[in-house]
This record gives sequence, structure tokens and C-alpha cells, in this order.
Amino acid sequence: GAVVSQHPSRVICKSGTSVKIECRSLDFQATTMFWYRQFPKQSLMLMATSNEGSKATYEQGVEKDKFLINHASLTLSTLTVTSAHPEDSSFYICSATPLAGALFFGPGTRLTVL
Amino acid sequence: DAKTTQPPSMDCAEGRAANLPCNHSTISGNEYVYWYRQIHSQGPQYIIHGLKNNETNEMASLIITEDRKSSTLILPHATLRDTAVYYCIVRVVRIGGYQKVTFGTGTKLQVIP
Repeated sequence: GAVVSQHPSRVICKSGTSVKIECRSLDFQATTMFWYRQFPKQSLMLMATSNEGSKATYEQGVEKDKFLINHASLTLSTLTVTSAHPEDSSFYICSATPLAGALFFGPGTRLTVL
Repeated sequence: DAKTTQPPSMDCAEGRAANLPCNHSTISGNEYVYWYRQIHSQGPQYIIHGLKNNETNEMASLIITEDRKSSTLILPHATLRDTAVYYCIVRVVRIGGYQKVTFGTGTKLQVIP
């Protein structure tokens, strides 16, 4: 089946630094990728929709200047958490889909901000 | 986007069939029903999807009611490894490929030895 990878799988950083998370579709081209955040014992919360070659669409309440998304190619989207703070500590998950296919998820990235 | 309603938790004896219900009463004609599951600290895993016909694959069966307002995911012989949170979602496919997906709270399935 289709594979979506994320890198890194976990990251620990100091407060105030920026962290970049990569999401790659390994065996298909993804015109659209999604970024989710999940806090402990909660469901996945959609943060933004990343479209190849255009600006990302952010969900209400998600700061676009804090969570920078770049979808530079049909197989790569990146999420940069700028000036991270402890409250940004969470499990970040990306997903990707061929145009009309099933939605596939990456393994997630555990971010811990000290 | 249509919302879904699922029971928060269910138990199932190992080896028995697990039947997980989902209500999606506001689903529209071009929305598919998808099922995923999430094991602790992993990304969601695709299970199965359907539009209006019942579907079966190596993992599960999906039964969609005729009016499409609800569906049931069936794991025919549950094992301990099936313990996970199961999410039922409906998926919008718009012109141009925009496909926004939101998650409900899911059902935590506990398979009991």
C-alpha cells in the first residue's frame, strides 16, 4: 500500500527555537497533504491543508505565521513550528492522498519543547 | 462536511466479531465513508472505505445502510492487536482535488483475552 513518511519521528528542542518536520509520500504524488496535531487522549485536530504550488489553507485558530507550511513538490510538505513554546508540545501527523484515492497517514512526529 | 458520531468505547472478546457503529446522518451523496484506526502513538492506519455498497477486504467488512446515514465496521475475528481507537470519517471530494478530512472522537476498542 501507499507509504507516507515523516522525519524526524521525535524531536526535543528548547523554547524559542524553530523545528521543521518533513512529510513525504514515497510511492505516489500527492497534490494535497494535511497536517494534524494530537494532544494526549484527544482526537486528531486538522491544522492546515497543504496544496502543491500554492499557499496552505489554515483552520480557524491556527496561526499561519507560527506554523509555516511549504509544499514545494508533489512528494514533500514541510511544517515549521517557529519560536516553539512548551504548549506546542504535541504529536504532529501528516497525511497525503492521490487525487481520488484513500488518505494515508505518516507515523507522526513527537515534539517536546522544553 | 458531514460529522460522525461513534460510541466512545467498546469491549470485545478475543476471537469474536467486533462490530463498530458509526452515525453519519448528514452525509451527502458524493461523500465516502472511511474507517481508520490508531494504535497508541502511531499514525492512523487505513482500514476500508465505501460509498454505498458493502465492502470487504483482508482486514474488515464495511456495512453501509441503504439510506447511508449509518455504517458498521466489522472485524470478523478480533485479536489483541486490534485494540485501538477506531475513527469513522466522511470525506469530501471537491473539484480540483481539495479533500478536507476532520476526525471525531472515535471508538476505543478494547479486545479482552
